[in-house]
Amino acid sequence: EDQVTQSPEALRLQEGESSSLNCSYTVSGLRGLFWYRQDPGKGPEFLFTLYSAGEEKEKERLKATLTKKESFLHITAPKPEDSATYLCAVQALGAAGNKLTFGGGTRVLVKP
Amino acid sequence: DSGVTQTPKHLITATGQRVTLRCSPRSGDLSVYWYQQSLDQGLQFLIQYYNGEERAKGNILERFSAQQFPDLHSELNLSSLELGDSALYFCASSARPGQGLAGELFFGEGSRLTVL
Repeated sequence: EDQVTQSPEALRLQEGESSSLNCSYTVSGLRGLFWYRQDPGKGPEFLFTLYSAGEEKEKERLKATLTKKESFLHITAPKPEDSATYLCAVQALGAAGNKLTFGGGTRVLVKP
Repeated sequence: DSGVTQTPKHLITATGQRVTLRCSPRSGDLSVYWYQQSLDQGLQFLIQYYNGEERAKGNILERFSAQQFPDLHSELNLSSLELGDSALYFCASSARPGQGLAGELFFGEGSRLTVL
């Protein structure tokens, strides 16, 4: 069974204090790994797709990287508007449909 | 605005009752997914429909059922409700194969169900 574990569960940062979120995964074969952002009371919003080890994607202050066992989401010089829950998900090769298995998320709070 | 519409936004009901949650996907999207999000379980996949047919099934209870209609809207039916069914229920849609990014789901704002 596919498993996704995210750490830490919560992260408090000062504005400008860079940090990284971890996503460890177990999957029979990886079709893709995905990062989503979720604001309170909202649905998750797609950020990145990563397909193979060594791949990197960037968007503003966020950079996602992928290895064979885990992915990192680096937040560089965060601002208060980066406060959200960040969700990692995997899609397995051969999975029926386009089912995504999500991790529990990391709640990020950036204080000014 | 993701383009996915869910109703109702909030629902309070009693144990043993039955409710129906409704979802309209983005215009042109053929796939609809239902997810349940609770504090202790995170975001759990329930079921996926593609163009009216069931495509994938997750941890959906037998008391729950779903369908996708010819106009592509979907309904999730929850019956014999228990306290533990209280959660946020999200609907998502995805672009047709060959369009958009793989794994990019567009989520609605959810229906918050409270069972008392």
